[in-house]
Amino acid sequence: AQKITQTQPGMFVQEKEAVTLDCTYDTSDQSYGLFWYKQPSSGEMIFLIYQGSYDEQNATEGRYSLNFQKARKSANLVISASQLGDSAMYFCAMREGFNAGNNRKLIWGLGTSLAVNP
Amino acid sequence: EAQVTQNPRYLITVTGKKLTVTCSQNMNHEYMSWYRQDPGLGLRQIYYSMNVEVTDKGDVPEGYKVSRKEKRNFPLILESPSPNQTSLYFCASSVGLGPYEQFFGPGTRLTVL
Repeated sequence: AQKITQTQPGMFVQEKEAVTLDCTYDTSDQSYGLFWYKQPSSGEMIFLIYQGSYDEQNATEGRYSLNFQKARKSANLVISASQLGDSAMYFCAMREGFNAGNNRKLIWGLGTSLAVNP
Repeated sequence: EAQVTQNPRYLITVTGKKLTVTCSQNMNHEYMSWYRQDPGLGLRQIYYSMNVEVTDKGDVPEGYKVSRKEKRNFPLILESPSPNQTSLYFCASSVGLGPYEQFFGPGTRLTVL
C-alpha cells in the first residue's frame, strides 16, 4: 500500500492566487515527520517545509504553509500568492519514527506538477 | 556555503563499464543516503550510511555498492551498469536523530546504453 499519496498529478493556478497541493499518508508510528520538496525543471530537490507529528501548530515558511490534519492523516501544502517561479514538481515525503529505526529514509509520494499561469 | 556536491552531473556510459558517482557534504552530517528517481516510481532509497564504516541497504540496492571511509564522502559505485540503471540519482545528508530535513545534492543524470 502507498504510504504517501498525492492524488493530483497536475495542477494549474493563476499567478497571485493561492493553491493547495494534497498529500495523505499512512503510518502506524506515533512519531513521524512530513516534508515538502520542490523540484524545478532543472532537477534539484529543494526543501520547503516540515511538520512534526507532535507539532500543535501548522508549519509556515514564508508563502508556504502546511495544513496538517492528523486525524485525517493529511498534510496539504498551501502556496499563497503564486509566482511564475513556483512552476515545478512538488513532492510530499514522510520519515517515520520508530518504525524506521536508524534509517532516516524519506518515503516519497509521486508528486504533483504545478503550472502557474501569467 | 553548506552543500552536498555530486559528480558528475551528467553521464552517458555503456553496459558493463564500471563507474563511480561521488558525493560529498561539508556539514559534518552523520547520515547520508542515495536515492534514484524514476518516472512513475518516485524516489527510492538505494543505500544509506549512519556514520563512517556503517552502511546498509535501502529499498533497491541490487547492482550498486557504496562505501563510507570518511564522514564527508559517500560514493555510489556501479560495478557493471545495465540499462535499467538509467535514472536520476540523488545523494542526501542530514544531521542527528531528529526529524531534520535532508539536504540534497544537485542530482546525477545517468544513461546506460
